Amino acid sequence: AQSVAQPEDQVNVAEGNPLTVKCTYSVSGNPYLFWYVQYPNRGLQFLLKYITGDNLVKGSYGFEAEFNKSQTSFHLKKPSALVSDSALYFCAVRDTLQDSNYQLIWGAGTKLIIKP
Amino acid sequence: ETGVTQTPRHLVMGMTNKKSLKCEQHLGHNAMYWYKQSAKKPLELMFVYSLEERVENNSVPSRFSPECPNSSHLFLHLHTLQPEDSALYLCASSQEATPYNEQFFGPGTRLTVL
Repeated sequence: AQSVAQPEDQVNVAEGNPLTVKCTYSVSGNPYLFWYVQYPNRGLQFLLKYITGDNLVKGSYGFEAEFNKSQTSFHLKKPSALVSDSALYFCAVRDTLQDSNYQLIWGAGTKLIIKP
Repeated sequence: ETGVTQTPRHLVMGMTNKKSLKCEQHLGHNAMYWYKQSAKKPLELMFVYSLEERVENNSVPSRFSPECPNSSHLFLHLHTLQPEDSALYLCASSQEATPYNEQFFGPGTRLTVL
């Protein structure tokens, strides 16, 4: 069965330090992987995706993620955190072998808090 | 902003009321989605429309009734809801209803059912 795990409910990072938000997945086929961010009282915003090709994907606001097939992970990273990065982050995966053409499997979200 | 608007932003309704949520996208996309977001739970896909045709209905109770009159507008009609239906309802759109297209989300409607 397909699944996505975001093992940390909350991540605390000091401003200026590197940040990592973890995501692991389980699929039957090949994964399409996505990261979205949700700021308070807002909808989700797309950050980046991995479909195929280079394992290191660069996205909006200086974020990047690395697809690691052997570890079935797609961790979100940023070299230097900003207070404005504080938000809720969601990882999602689409299994190329799943029955539904439209269903994304979503993680439960990780709250990122950047302290000044 | 993402180019997807939702109204109202907040809605409080009784269990016997009938109300509708509205979504409009200004991106020229062909696919639209309704999601339910509850605290500390993954997003739940409710409905998918592609070129105004419903292509996915994720075992959603019949008290939720979607309508897509054109590719820019999507409605969610609500009637005889239950308190457990209280949640943030998100509308999204994508260029096509394909698995590799990213989705653009509206700000959501915060629904409270009394």
